[in-house]
Amino acid sequence: GAGVSQSPSNKVTEKGKDVELRCDPISGHTALYWYRQSLGQGLEFLIYFQGNSAPDKSGLPSDRFSAERTGGSVSTLTIQRTQQEDSAVYLCASSINRAGYEQYFGPGTRLTVT
Amino acid sequence: QKEVEQDPGPLSVPEGAIVSLNCTYSNSAFQYFMWYRQYSRKGPELLMYTYSSGNKEDGRFTAQVDKSSKYISLFIRDSQPSDSATYLCAFAYSGAGSYQLTFGKGTKLSVIP
Repeated sequence: GAGVSQSPSNKVTEKGKDVELRCDPISGHTALYWYRQSLGQGLEFLIYFQGNSAPDKSGLPSDRFSAERTGGSVSTLTIQRTQQEDSAVYLCASSINRAGYEQYFGPGTRLTVT
Repeated sequence: QKEVEQDPGPLSVPEGAIVSLNCTYSNSAFQYFMWYRQYSRKGPELLMYTYSSGNKEDGRFTAQVDKSSKYISLFIRDSQPSDSATYLCAFAYSGAGSYQLTFGKGTKLSVIP
């Protein structure tokens, strides 16, 4: 079946602009994660959604970052007032809740802030 | 001490060689141990996972976990050029329902024909 999809695949933006990144999880997967992968830091957890529960936002690096998940499916990660240090690949993963350690990743969105 | 240590390589081996990739960790709460493969400009792909000490085999891949030493390994037998990728170890525990993964920084592997 279809895997996790993300859009756009690449995004170039100017410093100070807002960006929105989209994730479509695998159908039937109730858990959704966002991670960031940058050269110096590796893969870092950002935020977790499970069903209608309050999200776990403990990995968000600043209040410029926010995310929402509508209807328990599609998720959008928003970065306001982008900074050059936000340049990274943003990855989305989904899983079946009872096997949350089996996470399946999308191809990522490569964000470049100029 | 970092939570996860993984040698970044790069590691270059001839086709057909046995490859050994390793990670150490410090967090005793980790319950699940995963290996992901990531090709250039692609998302990580789950290769194997396990939750107990010992070996788990899947085709040419064997995952090994030693909880007492906090050490995990991935062995690739009869390596192929198509195995050339970055290999990431990952760890998880169930905290308030979230299985957020903690990753190593990855080992870049090249298998030379």
